[in-house]
Amino acid sequence: GQNIDQPTEMTATEGAIVQINCTYQTSGFNGLFWYQQHAGEAPTFLSYNVLDGLEEKGRFSSFLSRSKGYSYLLLKELQMKDSASYLCAVKDSNYQLIWGAGTKLIIKP
Amino acid sequence: ETGVTQTPRHLVMGMTNKKSLKCEQHLGHNAMYWYKQSAKKPLELMFVYSLEERVENNSVPSRFSPECPNSSHLFLHLHTLQPEDSALYLCASSPRDWTSGGTDTQYFGPGTRLTVL
Repeated sequence: GQNIDQPTEMTATEGAIVQINCTYQTSGFNGLFWYQQHAGEAPTFLSYNVLDGLEEKGRFSSFLSRSKGYSYLLLKELQMKDSASYLCAVKDSNYQLIWGAGTKLIIKP
Repeated sequence: ETGVTQTPRHLVMGMTNKKSLKCEQHLGHNAMYWYKQSAKKPLELMFVYSLEERVENNSVPSRFSPECPNSSHLFLHLHTLQPEDSALYLCASSPRDWTSGGTDTQYFGPGTRLTVL
């Protein structure tokens, strides 16, 4: 079967750095997405990786290793507003999106 | 224009009621999706429409009935639901669906929080 694994919950301190991991086992790979979802709100697009390496966008970076079936989202200079769930999703060989259950990130002052 | 909108935001219904969820996208996209989101579970894809034609139905119970009258509007008609159907129902749109081989980002609405009593 197809599977996406993410930690259920993480806690970090304001101003610090946190890394949220995502490992996947899918039938093929055509790209990986990260979305942010605040409680009660719509998931919003953060990043997309299709080639190995690091993609940086301001305070957020996303890394992909296709050979290891692994990605991470790196959040720097954490702010209270970064408290949210972070969803990892992989496009399989049929271009269907396979979703992880999400990681709830709690930021403490 | 606010991207993807959904109404109502909250809905409480009995098991014998009939209700409908509405989704509207203002992005000019060709594909629209219904997802079910339950606590601590991955998003479950329910239906996909591309250019108003259904292209995917992931074995969803018949008590959920989608309708796509045009590329901007999507409905989910609900009848004789079960308590386990209580969840957040999300609508999304993308420029194309996966059958086009695209890697398009999906844009989500805020969801309808459904409670079935």
